[in-house]
Amino acid sequence: GDSVTQMEGPVTLSEEAFLTINCTYTATGYPSLFWYVQYPGEGLQLLLKATKADDKGSNKGFEATYRKETTSFHLEKGSVQVSDSAVYFCALSENTGGFKTIFGAGTRLFVKA
Amino acid sequence: KAGVTQTPRYLIKTRGQQVTLSCSPISGHRSVSWYQQTPGQGLQFLFEYFSETQRNKGNFPGRFSGRQFSNSRSEMNVSTLELGDSALYLCASSMGLAGGGAGEQYFGPGTRLTVT
Repeated sequence: GDSVTQMEGPVTLSEEAFLTINCTYTATGYPSLFWYVQYPGEGLQLLLKATKADDKGSNKGFEATYRKETTSFHLEKGSVQVSDSAVYFCALSENTGGFKTIFGAGTRLFVKA
Repeated sequence: KAGVTQTPRYLIKTRGQQVTLSCSPISGHRSVSWYQQTPGQGLQFLFEYFSETQRNKGNFPGRFSGRQFSNSRSEMNVSTLELGDSALYLCASSMGLAGGGAGEQYFGPGTRLTVT
């Protein structure tokens, strides 16, 4: 079945460092790909998405590109802030007559001032 | 536009009891999905409802069931509770249609269920 694998955390960075969180997927069809973020004490929020190969999703300085050839959707940010500390989830969703979203295990990010 | 609401926010139940959780989606959204979030298993898909019909189901035992009403509000029921059912239960709403927003979901704050 479909699955999402993302790098284990926690990831600890200093403010203004470059961030990469790796995400790879397996899917039988042609899924849409998402990054969701869960800030401390808050619910899950959609961060960005991409619906087809070579699409780049971006939001709040974060970017991810849908790479079909490597089945990857890595999350990047050029300069992280303390406020980016959160848990990041990579996810895929396929339309199989309905939508079923599969999430990765989540990667906790700590950003130090 | 009001977000996804879930009630109750916290619940404590005893093994063997049953529980019903409620979710009100964003106005205009016809799809509601339910997830179980635990530290060990992460986020696991339970089921998705669209226009009162279950369209997808995850790999959970039959003790977990749900339904959706004509106003798109959804309920999830867990019968014969076990200790392992302790989790954060998240509800997510979406348009539920193929197209540009396909699969894009908006989550509620969750219901924290503790089984003792």
